[in-house]
Amino acid sequence: DVKVTQSSRYLVKRTGEKVFLECVQDMDHENMFWYRQDPGLGLRLIYFSYDVKMKEKGDIPEGYSVSREKKERFSLILESASTNQTSMYLCASSRRNEQFFGPGTRLTVL
Amino acid sequence: AQSVTQLDSQVPVFEEAPVELRCNYSSSVSVYLFWYVQYPNQGLQLLLKYLSGSTLVKGINGFEAEFNKSQTSFHLRKPSVHISDTAEYFCAVAGGGGSYIPTFGRGTSLIVHP
Repeated sequence: DVKVTQSSRYLVKRTGEKVFLECVQDMDHENMFWYRQDPGLGLRLIYFSYDVKMKEKGDIPEGYSVSREKKERFSLILESASTNQTSMYLCASSRRNEQFFGPGTRLTVL
Repeated sequence: AQSVTQLDSQVPVFEEAPVELRCNYSSSVSVYLFWYVQYPNQGLQLLLKYLSGSTLVKGINGFEAEFNKSQTSFHLRKPSVHISDTAEYFCAVAGGGGSYIPTFGRGTSLIVHP
């Protein structure tokens, strides 16, 4: 059974902290994605990666960075967390068209 | 460029009634279309997809969708819903402009009442 896992289901951080969200997939997919999901706004793409060490900005990259050192792992980094980054973060992977999602990390920044 | 519009943010319905969730897309080229479902506190999972061929696509849990190229629509239907179908449903389009990256709609919350 294909699987995308995320390091935490729930996370609470303080303003200004550095936050790491980890995502691992076991499907040998080339493409990996980070989205944030907010009520009424749907899914918005933050960053994606189509290969190891490659990354591309999505629609809302400001305040975020990413790292992909290994094919199976894609990390999202909030360099200095702010309250407006409180959200649900979803990781996904794909080979071409269909995306496979992790369970999400609900991040609260106080 | 590609875009997706889900026409209803919320659809309340009684159990065992039929339901239709509407999705319209815009793209200047041939596209791939998807419906995903998100149950509370979970990630998204694929319900069904249209890549080519028959315009009527059947998915999991009794859902189906019809691709209508002339109306640029991909509406999701189920003839009889269950309480367990209560969830958020997302329509997505990919392939426009040669990009494999999907664009998601804002979601429709299906609320099934007993």
